[in-house]
Amino acid sequence: GENVEQHPSTLSVQEGDSAVIKCTYSDSASNYFPWYKQELGKRPQLIIDIRSNVGEKKDQRIAVTLNKTAKHFSLHITETQPEDSAVYFCAAIYNDMRFGAGTRLTVKP
Amino acid sequence: EAGVAQSPRYKIIEKRQSVAFWCNPISGHATLYWYQQILGQGPKLLIQFQNNGVVDDSQLPKDRFSAERLKGVDSTLKIQPAKLEDSAVYLCASTQTGGTEAFFGQGTRLTVV
Repeated sequence: GENVEQHPSTLSVQEGDSAVIKCTYSDSASNYFPWYKQELGKRPQLIIDIRSNVGEKKDQRIAVTLNKTAKHFSLHITETQPEDSAVYFCAAIYNDMRFGAGTRLTVKP
Repeated sequence: EAGVAQSPRYKIIEKRQSVAFWCNPISGHATLYWYQQILGQGPKLLIQFQNNGVVDDSQLPKDRFSAERLKGVDSTLKIQPAKLEDSAVYLCASTQTGGTEAFFGQGTRLTVV
């Protein structure tokens, strides 16, 4: 099955700075790459996703980039705010959906 | 649109006991996933159903875990007998098909003592 690695495991930034989280995947057939945000004690919720036929996608302060050749994709959050503090998970999907280990993002006011 | 429903929300059992979790996906969603999320870790896929067929159960500890989705709608996940290391949140998610947004239930927090 698919193997997804995610880095870093923890990330602390100052409010207003940018945050970048990176993931690599093993199955070149994977064609859908979502990012989920999970706040403490809550369910994961989709924040952005990208398909393999697209290199970059933006939604306000959030963007995702995909490099199919290198089999890695990244989440970029600009102008971070304290409410962005959460755990973020990447996933790669072909037949099944496997998650990375997660990144705990802390945005300091 | 109603979300993914899971029950119970919390369960405390002693080791070696049995426990079952229930999931009702969003209406019309063919794909259903069960994940195990240990505190501080990412969700680990246990089993994936497409309608009532199993797509992937390679990470399901089959000596103690079982799952079914007999009518292709709701699903149950069972652990028998439970071990201390089974303490985790069990998340159910559903999608219309693979490769689309997955919606998660609230999860069942299992504590094995």
